[in-house]
Amino acid sequence: GESVGLHLPTLSVQEGDNSIINCAYSNSASDYFIWYKQESGKGPQFIIDIRSNMDKRQGQRVTVLLNKTVKHLSLQIAATQPGDSAVYFCAENIPFNKFYFGSGTKLNVKP
Amino acid sequence: GAVVSQHPSRVICKSGTSVKIECRSLDFQATTMFWYRQFPKKSLMLMATSNEGSKATYEQGVEKDKFLINHASLTLSTLTVTSAHPEDSSFYICSASRDRGTEAFFGQGTRLTVV
Repeated sequence: GESVGLHLPTLSVQEGDNSIINCAYSNSASDYFIWYKQESGKGPQFIIDIRSNMDKRQGQRVTVLLNKTVKHLSLQIAATQPGDSAVYFCAENIPFNKFYFGSGTKLNVKP
Repeated sequence: GAVVSQHPSRVICKSGTSVKIECRSLDFQATTMFWYRQFPKKSLMLMATSNEGSKATYEQGVEKDKFLINHASLTLSTLTVTSAHPEDSSFYICSASRDRGTEAFFGQGTRLTVV
């Protein structure tokens, strides 16, 4: 659904530190989840996905954790770089193939 | 990853006119395409889901007659904003997936400004 509030929450981290971005999803029937990165004026870019039969998946410098009990996703970015600065969204795929987006978090990496 | 191309990237139109936005999957066949709308500093709001050869499924609150969606082939979906008004100004983004429950790839978005 649509996000609420005037501004996206912002996470500020120092270059080289690890970042953790959280997302709460809404539908207990959701069976597939994707993290996207969106830079200003561009479409979302796929980062990593996870299915509901898993609780952790690792990519290059990124890890996604899924906790179905509390309907929570997290994205961990190791050794955060200035190029990681963007808005990050989680998306949940509910049955019948619809993708709904979470409200988003702005990641600000300080050099 | 797969490539989804959206055209135009920017469009300015006058109130009362209609605007068509195209979404093409360039290197794969898309069973399903999605249309989203995004306001500044907000998340993506799903407008409709379209499957090739069938009518689009619109989300609650989205006017079917206002936002016409055509998914005529496995590589092309179009969104037509009819009788556009300034409040229709927004960033419209499409995405496409090969099969149900697989990753969706996004176009670069279309910035629509209605004057």
